[in-house]
Amino acid sequence: QKEVEQNSGPLSVPEGAIASLNCTYSDRGSQSFFWYRQYSGKSPELIMFIYSNGDKEDGRFTAQLNKASQYVSLLIRDSQPSDSATYLCAVSGGSYIPTFGRGTSLIVHP
Amino acid sequence: DAGITQSPRHKVTETGTPVTLRCHQTENHRYMYWYRQDPGHGLRLIHYSYGVKDTDKGEVSDGYSVSRSKTEDFLLTLESATSSQTSVYFCAISEAGDQPQHFGDGTRLSIL
Repeated sequence: QKEVEQNSGPLSVPEGAIASLNCTYSDRGSQSFFWYRQYSGKSPELIMFIYSNGDKEDGRFTAQLNKASQYVSLLIRDSQPSDSATYLCAVSGGSYIPTFGRGTSLIVHP
Repeated sequence: DAGITQSPRHKVTETGTPVTLRCHQTENHRYMYWYRQDPGHGLRLIHYSYGVKDTDKGEVSDGYSVSRSKTEDFLLTLESATSSQTSVYFCAISEAGDQPQHFGDGTRLSIL
């Protein structure tokens, strides 16, 4: 059983701070890693994906992958109240079909 | 935005009735998925398809069936709905199994 674990939160950060969201996974054969953002009552939307060890930056978002330690993280710099949402981590392994974590709720307070 | 349309968007029905949800895509993506999302459980995969007439079960497939007769349409059927199937259902598509997914707007299904 492939597992993807996320702290459910809520993670509360002040506006302008860095929010750090973490995800661990059990399948060492995992190759593709995704972060989705889901606002309350809405569908998930892709914000980042990463395939190689290291960092990948896109605007205020940075995805970090460490395959040896089996974790992937998402950093949000200069957090804004509009970043308040649930963040879902998804991992795709040898079977290719992604497994989703249960999500971390992020609250950015003014 | 990826061209994915789910219908209906909302449905209320009674226990024991059949229900069919439709997902239609205009992206010509090979993979299509059905998920349900419930509080405390996150997204759970019901069934997925990797081509016309090619489908496979996910982790919560009991009580559900699917069909894909055309690339653009993926149907989810509850043969005899139960109250435990009250949920929000999302359809998603991707070019390949290990590629990012794009989600439809969801169907809120209530079974009384």
